[in-house]
Amino acid sequence: NAGVTQTPKFQVLKTGQSMTLQCAQDMNHEYMSWYRQDPGMGLRLIHYSVGAGITDQGEVPNGYNVSRSTTEDFPLRLLSAAPSQTSVYFCASSYSGGAVEQYFGPGTRLTVT
Amino acid sequence: GQSLEQPSEVTAVEGAIVQINCTYQTSGFYGLSWYQQHDGGAPTFLSYNALDGLEETGRFSSFLSRSDSYGYLLLQELQMKDSASYFCAVSRGSARQLTFGSGTQLTVLP
Repeated sequence: NAGVTQTPKFQVLKTGQSMTLQCAQDMNHEYMSWYRQDPGMGLRLIHYSVGAGITDQGEVPNGYNVSRSTTEDFPLRLLSAAPSQTSVYFCASSYSGGAVEQYFGPGTRLTVT
Repeated sequence: GQSLEQPSEVTAVEGAIVQINCTYQTSGFYGLSWYQQHDGGAPTFLSYNALDGLEETGRFSSFLSRSDSYGYLLLQELQMKDSASYFCAVSRGSARQLTFGSGTQLTVLP
């Protein structure tokens, strides 16, 4: 099993550009989530999904969209990148929400100039 | 809203025991998790407590007191490889989604 994969590993965007961060898991997990981590801080929940076709907002959803058309994939879309979105983005999955072990992907390091 | 408090830094020597505390304020609390993150890496799961008491997994133990809104992670027989950041996280809400603390940077000295 590959676990949770994320692409790209690194990305530099200009202000105003849009892009999609990809996340996929092969563990048949129902729950998937996106976090951002700023230097010296914990992870903040952006969006999450409890199954295909179902998504909901986390703590910091503004400026981001998600969709969940399959169990495996949970892409995160930045609509119009801003310097404040410079961060490391982690995708995670689990079979049942946050109350059990969450498996994290390797992260995407995004810089917005 | 939610808040979690944990020390920002802890230093200990190899072979020692260290305790990382976490206090929280949140509604709809289900449980407390702990994650480890090495520099440049992804968080990895260490433990989850839903009920009061101590859970032991090898050199690591985690404790929860729901009445005190308090938990801790206990690391025994410290090794150099334990140098990392440790995050407590509360699970709450319909999907038990996680809210993380700011993390504790543990440095293990030889």
